[in-house]
Amino acid sequence: AQSVTQPDIHITVSEGASLELRCNYSYGATPYLFWYVQSPGQGLQLLLKYFSGDTLVQGIKGFEAEFKRSQSSFNLRKPSVHWSDAAEYFCAVGATSGTYKYIFGTGTRLKVLA
Amino acid sequence: NAGVTQTPKFQVLKTGQSMTLQCAQDMNHEYMSWYRQDPGMGLRLIHYSVGAGITDQGEVPNGYNVSRSTTEDFPLRLLSAAPSQTSVYFCASSIAGYQPQHFGDGTRLSIL
Repeated sequence: AQSVTQPDIHITVSEGASLELRCNYSYGATPYLFWYVQSPGQGLQLLLKYFSGDTLVQGIKGFEAEFKRSQSSFNLRKPSVHWSDAAEYFCAVGATSGTYKYIFGTGTRLKVLA
Repeated sequence: NAGVTQTPKFQVLKTGQSMTLQCAQDMNHEYMSWYRQDPGMGLRLIHYSVGAGITDQGEVPNGYNVSRSTTEDFPLRLLSAAPSQTSVYFCASSIAGYQPQHFGDGTRLSIL
């Protein structure tokens, strides 16, 4: 069965600093990979997705993520963080086989210092 | 285009009461799902549906019931509310199970 691990529960960065949020997955085939953002009191919004092809994918709000098959990772990055990026970020795996077709990680809460 | 609409946004229940959380989508998506979100546990799948008339259990189905009589609607029923069901509930829809999910704004449910 597929699984998703986000090893960092909380991350704090200063405004203007770079950001990398980690995501590791387990799945027997090539997965569909996603990053979502959740602002307080809101639902989840899709940041970016990887289906196939170029392993570096661009998303909204200046985010990007890189798929590394050898490391089973799909880390989210942003070169310069803005105070409005403070939120919770979820990595997810979509699978075309298996019992559950969509699994979320437990999330990483980002705090941005002014 | 409303997307995914959840009602109510907030609800307080007493232990043992029943209620239905409503979810409707206007994107003609076949796949719909219910999640609960608890601190430190991410989103856990309660039930899902791959189309009208077809539902199945997720990771944490106990105490919940669903039905899918139309493509648009996917209500979640709490049969006998318990304090452990205090949570934020999200409904989501997508073209297929492995495709990006579209989320509603959630229902905050407190069981006293």
